[in-house]
Amino acid sequence: EVQLVESGGGLVQPGGSLRLSCAASGFTFSSYSMNWVRQAPGKGLEWVSSISGNNNYIYYADSLKGRFTISRDNAKNSLYLQMNSLRAEDTAVYYCASASPSDYWGQGTLVTVSS
Amino acid sequence: EVVLTQSPGTLSLSPGERATLSCRASQSVTGSYLAWYQQKPGQAPRLLIYGASSRATGIPDRFSGSGSGTDFTLTISRLEPEDFAVYYCQQYVSSPLTFGGGTKVEIK
Repeated sequence: EVQLVESGGGLVQPGGSLRLSCAASGFTFSSYSMNWVRQAPGKGLEWVSSISGNNNYIYYADSLKGRFTISRDNAKNSLYLQMNSLRAEDTAVYYCASASPSDYWGQGTLVTVSS
Repeated sequence: EVVLTQSPGTLSLSPGERATLSCRASQSVTGSYLAWYQQKPGQAPRLLIYGASSRATGIPDRFSGSGSGTDFTLTISRLEPEDFAVYYCQQYVSSPLTFGGGTKVEIK
């Protein structure tokens, strides 16, 4: 059974940092490009970042302006999102998902940026 | 950036009725790299359709996708109670990947 389990969310003050993790199982993780997608409370889906299976290709939403870094460790079947200089507008549920079209999604982890 | 505009914003229908959801792109989505997702409250999105018209694994045949270029449609032939949800289209032909704003299908 395919599983994606996110962790690392929580409450952080504006300007702070968080590192999200996504543990994958049930499929050949290294063969899949992966995405981070977020959803602000009551809003729609927003793509954040993508990384290829071999780390050769990395893409970010322009709105992030260099504050976020995606990475992966294929030996650990894990995907990461380092988020720095967090703002109130980064408050959202963050999902990891397999590369689009995304047939595998995690349950999401909530990041709340507030003082 | 490919902007996707979904309409209507909300669709009020009864179980058994047909639902037709639209997704219009600001530029051509070459190769029909367009997907549809269903999302229920408190849940992650679920892939329904990819390549504009191919059903994902396990998706009932009452869901169908069509279209090409800039105009795409998701049709639910007969609404079941579990189909009332929010639906998103997404293009994955080019970065940045983009989603439409969503269509909520609610019970009338």
